[in-house]
Amino acid sequence: VQLVESGGGLVQPGRSLRLSCTASGFTFDDYAMHWVRQAPGKGLEWVSGISWNSGSIGYADSVKGRFTISRDNAKNSVYLQMNSLRVEDTAFYQCAKENGKSFGYYGMDVWGHGTTVTVSS
Amino acid sequence: SYELTQPPSVSVSPGQTASITCSGDKLGDKYVCWYQQKPGQSPLLVIYQDSKRPSGIPGRFSGSNSANTATLTISRTQAMDEADYYCQVWDSGTGVFGTGTRVTV
Repeated sequence: VQLVESGGGLVQPGRSLRLSCTASGFTFDDYAMHWVRQAPGKGLEWVSGISWNSGSIGYADSVKGRFTISRDNAKNSVYLQMNSLRVEDTAFYQCAKENGKSFGYYGMDVWGHGTTVTVSS
Repeated sequence: SYELTQPPSVSVSPGQTASITCSGDKLGDKYVCWYQQKPGQSPLLVIYQDSKRPSGIPGRFSGSNSANTATLTISRTQAMDEADYYCQVWDSGTGVFGTGTRVTV
């Protein structure tokens, strides 16, 4: 069971970035997925989640209207499109698997190793 | 927005019991998860649905949730339990993590 993130990097404020997370070792379309971030020296912050069939999607207030989560079950992948990036979006981003089809009930039981996003001019 | 408050730090002697609290408005009405995070590692789910342990998590870890406070209890604490611990809930379709507690053994 593995989650591998990619797409992080250094980007200027106001620009966009797309993160990808590819899953292996489990039936991807049986589970909800999440993005969680952690700013340097700070705690965990849930960013966004998507149910198994994309029927239910949620965002943290801090990213609502700027970030978009999506998934492609045929490619075993979940994505985070990040627009209008701000300095405060600088963080280590990880995708995580919910242990259920919908989010909110079973916890995030598998985590990727993460990718770093740095927003700076 | 919903907030979860944890003590910044808890210190415990090896073999003793550590209790980490998580406070939030009507928290007992929600399911609480707990995550352990060691330096340089990804978080590890140790408790879900208030008190259930995922496969592979030692029985030393237990959880409870009532009224406005959830508690993660680590019995017979070992040096390997030294880590940051975060509670987490869902509120109106949004995930919320607690402020985090550093447990020092």
